[in-house]
Amino acid sequence: DQQVKQNSPSLSVQEGRISILNCDYTNSMFDYFLWYKKYPAEGPTFLISISSIKDKNEDGRFTVFLNKSAKHLSLHIVPSQPGDSAVYFCAAGNTNAGKSTFGDGTTLTVKP
Amino acid sequence: DAGITQSPRHKVTETGTPVTLRCHQTENHRYMYWYRQDPGHGLRLIHYSYGVKDTDKGEVSDGYSVSRSKTEDFLLTLESATSSQTSVYFCAISEWKGSSYNSPLHFGNGTRLTVT
Repeated sequence: DQQVKQNSPSLSVQEGRISILNCDYTNSMFDYFLWYKKYPAEGPTFLISISSIKDKNEDGRFTVFLNKSAKHLSLHIVPSQPGDSAVYFCAAGNTNAGKSTFGDGTTLTVKP
Repeated sequence: DAGITQSPRHKVTETGTPVTLRCHQTENHRYMYWYRQDPGHGLRLIHYSYGVKDTDKGEVSDGYSVSRSKTEDFLLTLESATSSQTSVYFCAISEWKGSSYNSPLHFGNGTRLTVT
C-alpha cells in the first residue's frame, strides 16, 4: 500500500513556463510534507516543505500548495529553468514518527 | 553541504557474500537513515537510528541489519547479498528538533551496489 504517490513519472515544460508537480497521500496522520530534488549521481537535496497547518509555502521560484481535504499537494516552479531538470520526490511524515515516506519521483525536463 | 560520507561509492559483490556499507557524518545529528532507490520505487526506508544503539526497521528491512555504536557512524549490513539487493543506497541524517518540518533530511551521494 503506497502511502505517497506521484502519478506522473515525467513532465516536460518549456523554459520560462510554469512546472506543476503533483503528489497524493493516503495517510491522515501525515502532518508535514517535503519536496526534494535529485540530480543524477547525487543524493537528493531538500527543496521546500510545508506543515499541515498551512496551505501554501513559498520560497523564491518554488511554491508548495497543500489541500488536506483532498490529500493532495503540488509544487509549482515559476519560471522554470533548464537547471531545474531533475527528479523531484515528494515526501510525507508525522512529526512524532521520526521518518519520512517518499513517492516514486517525477522526472522534470525543462527545454530551452 | 551537510558532512555525510558514504563508503564505498561503488561495489560489486557475489550472491551470498556479506556486505557492509558505511555512513559517516560530521554534523552530530541524532537521526540517521538508510534508504534504497530503485527504478519505479523511489526511495524506500530500510532502517533508521534515533541515537547510539537505538535503531528501528523501515519498510524494506528484510535481509538487512544495522548498527550504530557512535553518533557519527551508521553501518548497513547485507548478511548474505542477493541479486534483489542490487540498488543505490543512500544514507541520510536529520537534526529532528521535535518537528521535522524544520528538520529535512540531508543525504549522502549514495553507494551503487551490484550483486552478481
